[in-house]
Amino acid sequence: GESVGLHLPTLSVQEGDNSIINCAYSNSASDYFIWYKQESGKGPQFIIDIRSNMDKRQGQRVTVLLNKTVKHLSLQIAATQPGDSAVYFCAENYNNAGNMLTFGGGTRLMVKP
Amino acid sequence: NAGVTQTPKFRILKIGQSMTLQCAQDMNHNYMYWYRQDPGMGLKLIYYSVGAGITDKGEVPNGYNVSRSTTEDFPLRLELAAPSQTSVYFCASSEGGGLNEKLFFGSGTQLSVL
Repeated sequence: GESVGLHLPTLSVQEGDNSIINCAYSNSASDYFIWYKQESGKGPQFIIDIRSNMDKRQGQRVTVLLNKTVKHLSLQIAATQPGDSAVYFCAENYNNAGNMLTFGGGTRLMVKP
Repeated sequence: NAGVTQTPKFRILKIGQSMTLQCAQDMNHNYMYWYRQDPGMGLKLIYYSVGAGITDKGEVPNGYNVSRSTTEDFPLRLELAAPSQTSVYFCASSEGGGLNEKLFFGSGTQLSVL
């Protein structure tokens, strides 16, 4: 069936390095994608989103890239900081009639000092 | 501004017991949602509501009930708790249901059914 998934369950990076978190999706009809950050003991927090008519969107230290040809989504974090340590989820919107999302399984980002 | 508030934070139930997970938002959002998150998995939608008096099933509604008598509150009811309902439950809200509406999440309720 249609699904959203992540390639790597855990990513460990050195403080100050750039981080790249990847996500594969299979629902070609999805046209909206979101990245969420979930810190330990907290609910998911919106980071950045992208519509399918775009291939790149930048925020503050974060960039989301969308490759519709291979159905791939990535989150890039520049100059990774200890506060970036969290689980990151990608999600896609599968029902345009309402705000219902399909979430991937999550990637844990660990930032080493 | 409290945002989305969930209570309790933790709960242990025996099989067959019932309980209500509370969720309240103070942002005057129309849409509210209940998700469950199993270990190492993404969130799965249980139920959602597009406004007071209206509720709809999500992806995994079996074993749960909801009500939306006010805009602010969206309680989730477990009538006969089962071990398969051990999970972390997140309530969320959004202003509308448009494609790029942002969801605001509560901090979750960790439920164990033993």
